[in-house]
Amino acid sequence: DAGVIQSPRHEVTEMGQEVTLRCKPISGHDYLFWYRQTMMRGLELLIYFNNNVPIDDSGMPEDRFSAKMPNASFSTLKIQPSEPRDSAVYFCASSLAYGRADLMNTEAFFGQGTRLTVV
Amino acid sequence: ELKVEQNPLFLSMQEGKNYTIYCNYSTTSDRLYWYRQDPGKSLESLFVLLSNGAVKQEGRLMASLDTKARLSTLHITAAVHDLSATYFCATSYGKLTFGQGTILTVHP
Repeated sequence: DAGVIQSPRHEVTEMGQEVTLRCKPISGHDYLFWYRQTMMRGLELLIYFNNNVPIDDSGMPEDRFSAKMPNASFSTLKIQPSEPRDSAVYFCASSLAYGRADLMNTEAFFGQGTRLTVV
Repeated sequence: ELKVEQNPLFLSMQEGKNYTIYCNYSTTSDRLYWYRQDPGKSLESLFVLLSNGAVKQEGRLMASLDTKARLSTLHITAAVHDLSATYFCATSYGKLTFGQGTILTVHP
């Protein structure tokens, strides 16, 4: 398996533009997480899905951020309009049966991340 | 709100020395994860600790879990330069919540 695939790897955009980040989870995984990483705030969970359904989006910073998972093999994180303070590395991660007490290997596997710079 | 706190946040070690990174969490959790991140790279899973008293070892790293104390430790034995990285613990009470990370630097 190729692992979690994110695109693009780098994105530079101007303030006010729409940005869409993409993620393909590992095949068969039923949980998908979006994280943002900055030096100041560390790793922040933005939203996570189970079987394509958003479970908790309380980490989404504001209405400018939205995430979708139209099917089991694809998710997007959209920022509209983007602002300089959105500059960060955005990670997508997937897990098989995360939280299942009867399974051992339920860790989340991370993609390579998208480094977003908003100027 | 679940809090996961790591200590120390910065660790400078000499090669060959031993040290421990501590991870405290605020709410009962059914499992604890340790990850490694190299500069500019993604996060790599190191250990999954499932129950109280669980201990796992891989090379010079050993992780343990005390659910009663809500504490996990990552022990480094005879550090080598290749272990230089940022280490995160994470707990899965509902959300998968990460600690702040411990930046480990191993020098000669």
